[in-house]
Amino acid sequence: DGGITQSPKYLFRKEGQNVTLSCEQNLNHDAMYWYRQDPGQGLRLIYYSQIVNDFQKGDIAEGYSVSREKKESFPLTVTSAQKNPTAFYLCASTPLVVEGNYGYTFGSGTRLTVV
Amino acid sequence: AQSVTQPDIHITVSEGASLELRCNYSYGATPYLFWYVQSPGQGLQLLLKYFSGDTLVQGIKGFEAEFKRSQSSFNLRKPSVHWSDAAEYFCAVAGGFYDGGSQGNLIFGKGTKLSVKP
Repeated sequence: DGGITQSPKYLFRKEGQNVTLSCEQNLNHDAMYWYRQDPGQGLRLIYYSQIVNDFQKGDIAEGYSVSREKKESFPLTVTSAQKNPTAFYLCASTPLVVEGNYGYTFGSGTRLTVV
Repeated sequence: AQSVTQPDIHITVSEGASLELRCNYSYGATPYLFWYVQSPGQGLQLLLKYFSGDTLVQGIKGFEAEFKRSQSSFNLRKPSVHWSDAAEYFCAVAGGFYDGGSQGNLIFGKGTKLSVKP
């Protein structure tokens, strides 16, 4: 079955470390997104990419970096510059044509905790 | 700019009672509208979506939503709530198709948490 796979489900990071969250989709979707979710704050957009080798900053990009070398993959790196990285991270994808299957498909999320 | 407002942060209903979750959007053209549900520690699952046509949309798990252009609303309803419906619900609008913005990006409301009393 097609879908989005995020790994790992739980991740622990020490202060000063960079960590990379994986997001892979086999839906042949053009666009991919990373969101951060904190209690009571809804979904906040970190980065998005609508085409391979191109990506755009979202509302809270500081301290994060991404790459889009393949259509299927959109990894997110949480750098040591991100001062408060403990959160739930969600990856999503969508085709860009408004027809039947348009709309975000989400992964199951990665919970990152700084220890 | 597009925006989505979910006025209720938290709603509690009794099992078997009817449910209506409110969603208001701001968008200049015909919107593409969505409702998602999220269980704790999980990703978001699509309940239903509206693109055009019939303004009453049926979704999964017995949910429906009605698009009312005059009220800029897309409220989610369910006639009889089950304990398993306890979750957080997010309304979203897709923007950018007519205003030069980021085509395809969804704008989310802040969510409504639903609790179900036995």
